Amino acid sequence: DQQVKQNSPSLSVQEGRISILNCDYTNSMFDYFLWYKKYPAEGPTFLISISSIKDKNEDGRFTVFLNKSAKHLSLHIVPSQPGDSAVYFCAASASQGGSEKLVFGKGTKLTVNP
Amino acid sequence: DSGVTQTPKHLITATGQRVTLRCSPRSGDLSVYWYQQSLDQGLQFLIQYYNGEERAKGNILERFSAQQFPDLHSELNLSSLELGDSALYFCASSVVGGETDTQYFGPGTRLTVL
Repeated sequence: DQQVKQNSPSLSVQEGRISILNCDYTNSMFDYFLWYKKYPAEGPTFLISISSIKDKNEDGRFTVFLNKSAKHLSLHIVPSQPGDSAVYFCAASASQGGSEKLVFGKGTKLTVNP
Repeated sequence: DSGVTQTPKHLITATGQRVTLRCSPRSGDLSVYWYQQSLDQGLQFLIQYYNGEERAKGNILERFSAQQFPDLHSELNLSSLELGDSALYFCASSVVGGETDTQYFGPGTRLTVL
C-alpha cells in the first residue's frame, strides 16, 4: 500500500515556464512533507519542506503548497531552468510514534527543455 | 556534497554471500538512516539509529542488520544475498532525528547480486 503517491512518472516543460509536480498521500498522520531532487549517480538532495501547520512555503524559485483536506501537495518551480532536470521525490513523515522515517513516493522525472 | 560518505560506491557479489556497507554521517549528526531503492521503486526506509541506539525499524529483512558505532559511523550488513537484493542503498543523516529534521543523503552504494 503506497502511502505517498506521485502519479506522474515524468514531466517535460520549456525553459522559463512553470513546472508543477504533484504528490498525494493517504496517511492522515503525516504532518511534515519534503521534496528531494536527485541527479543520476547521486544521492537525493533536500530541496524544500513544509509542516502541516502551513499551507505554503517558498524558497527562491521553489514553492510547496499543501492542501491537507485533499491530502495533496505540489511543488512549483518558476521559472524552470535546464539544470532543474532531475528526478523529484516527495516524502512525508509523522511526528507521532517516535519515528522520523521518511516515506517516499516513486519520483517524477522532470525534463526542462532549452 | 552533502557531507555524508558511503563506501563502497559499487559492489558486485554472488547469491548467498554477505556484504557490509559503510556510512559516515555529516559532522555533528547523531542520527543515521538506511534506505533501499530498487528498480522503479521509491526509497524504502530500512532502519534508523540515533547516537548508537536503534530508533526505528522499517521493512528490513531479517537477513539484514545494522549498527552505529561510538564514532557514529554506521554499517549495514546484508547476508544470504538474493538476486532481489540488488538495489541502491542510501544512508542519510540528521542532527538529532527529530520529526522536522532534514535528512541529508549520501551518494549511495549500488549492490549487484549475480
